Amino acid sequence: SYVLTQPPSVSVAPGKTARITCGGNNIGSKSVHWYQQKPGQAPVLVIYYDSDRPSGIPERFSGSNSGNTATLTISRVEAGDEADYYCQVWDSSSDLTWVFGGGTKLTVL
Amino acid sequence: EVQLVQSGAEVKKPGESLRISCKGSGYSFTSYWISWVRQMPGKGLEWMGRIDPSDSYTNYSPSFQGHVTISADKSISTAYLQWSSLKASDTAMYYCASGYCSSTSCYFDYWGQGTLVTVSS
Repeated sequence: SYVLTQPPSVSVAPGKTARITCGGNNIGSKSVHWYQQKPGQAPVLVIYYDSDRPSGIPERFSGSNSGNTATLTISRVEAGDEADYYCQVWDSSSDLTWVFGGGTKLTVL
Repeated sequence: EVQLVQSGAEVKKPGESLRISCKGSGYSFTSYWISWVRQMPGKGLEWMGRIDPSDSYTNYSPSFQGHVTISADKSISTAYLQWSSLKASDTAMYYCASGYCSSTSCYFDYWGQGTLVTVSS
């Protein structure tokens, strides 16, 4: 089954740029989606198809995907961005159709 | 407005059965697959399985195959997640989510609020 690897934690100062990575074998050939989950809340889609933003998601959130790494970038980080972030791909080649990364806790210092 | 509204929190004993629900509104319920996602305390998201409400076709993650049953009643726009014999290790938050799919990929665009299931003797 396909495996996605994320760093457990990333820390960033307010106003700086946070980059959260998602590693997978030739992940650049797949579409990657990203979710934000704040404590006590359901996940929210923040990036789909590698770099598209749903309506209502700030332009500060962007994504890229190439080779073996996809990246979620959050510019001008705010305190309200502190959350867990999960990457996800759809693996049509196996029974584990939706695959999530292990999640990254973003801490705003 | 698209909404997925889940049933309330449950406290059960090991060995008991349980069915939780997820009611969709604001969209054509039969047009999008519904998945169930588990989140154990302090842990990440795990995809359990999905159902196509139009024909009730299901497929499961190997980790959950045989341990849970997913079903749907399209006449009332509701999907279900069911256990026949709960274990303490089933204690978790369970989310339903609607999946948008293109020819190349699928993602979850809408999520329910979650149902907390606690299994304890």
